[in-house]
Amino acid sequence: QVQLVQSGAEVKKPGASVKVSCKASGYTFTSYGISWVRQAPGQGLEWMGWISAYNGNTNYAQKLQGRVTMTTDTSTSTAYMELRSLRSDDTAVYYCAREIVYSSGCSAFDIWGQGTMVTVSS
Amino acid sequence: DIQMTQSPSSLSASVGDRVTITCRASQSISSYLNWYQQKPGKAPKLLIYAASSLQSGVPSRFSGSGSGTDFTLTISSLQPEDFATYYCQQSYSTLWTFGQGTKLEIK
Repeated sequence: QVQLVQSGAEVKKPGASVKVSCKASGYTFTSYGISWVRQAPGQGLEWMGWISAYNGNTNYAQKLQGRVTMTTDTSTSTAYMELRSLRSDDTAVYYCAREIVYSSGCSAFDIWGQGTMVTVSS
Repeated sequence: DIQMTQSPSSLSASVGDRVTITCRASQSISSYLNWYQQKPGKAPKLLIYAASSLQSGVPSRFSGSGSGTDFTLTISSLQPEDFATYYCQQSYSTLWTFGQGTKLEIK
């Protein structure tokens, strides 16, 4: 079945980096984009950025520019999100999500990973 | 960035009620509006895409409408499993943004 499986929970100190993986299965990886969305405890959803699994093009949320890098490894159908210079307010559940583009041109996130909890604490 | 504002932020309702959630965009987004449902501890689930198209497998009691800046999600007859948080999201801009969420609670 179509699924995205993410790496496990992480605990990091302020100033460190974290790299979360998202392994796709059940579909042609390079035919879809992947977005990353995070959710701080008790808060709403925040879109972080997008990467084309076809050509590696990226698009990042302005507030994270310079701290986030999204990459893919097409040989293993895996997407990665690295966040640097971690702060306490980066503590959140991080989700990857597959972007589907409909014939109307509208796109949506139809498949989601299970989420990865990243805790930033000294 | 396009700002998405949902109302209400929370809502209490009973099983069998008809419920409507509203989402307003800070500029016209045509019909590039999606709705998601999220239950505690779970990833969001796509319900409605392109403002009014029902995602495969989603019960027909869910419907969406609107275009331009104003959109609604309607649940025609609430079921126990529908108590969750609902988010709208615009995909008009490639800087996707979500509404702040509407928590639907049991009365």
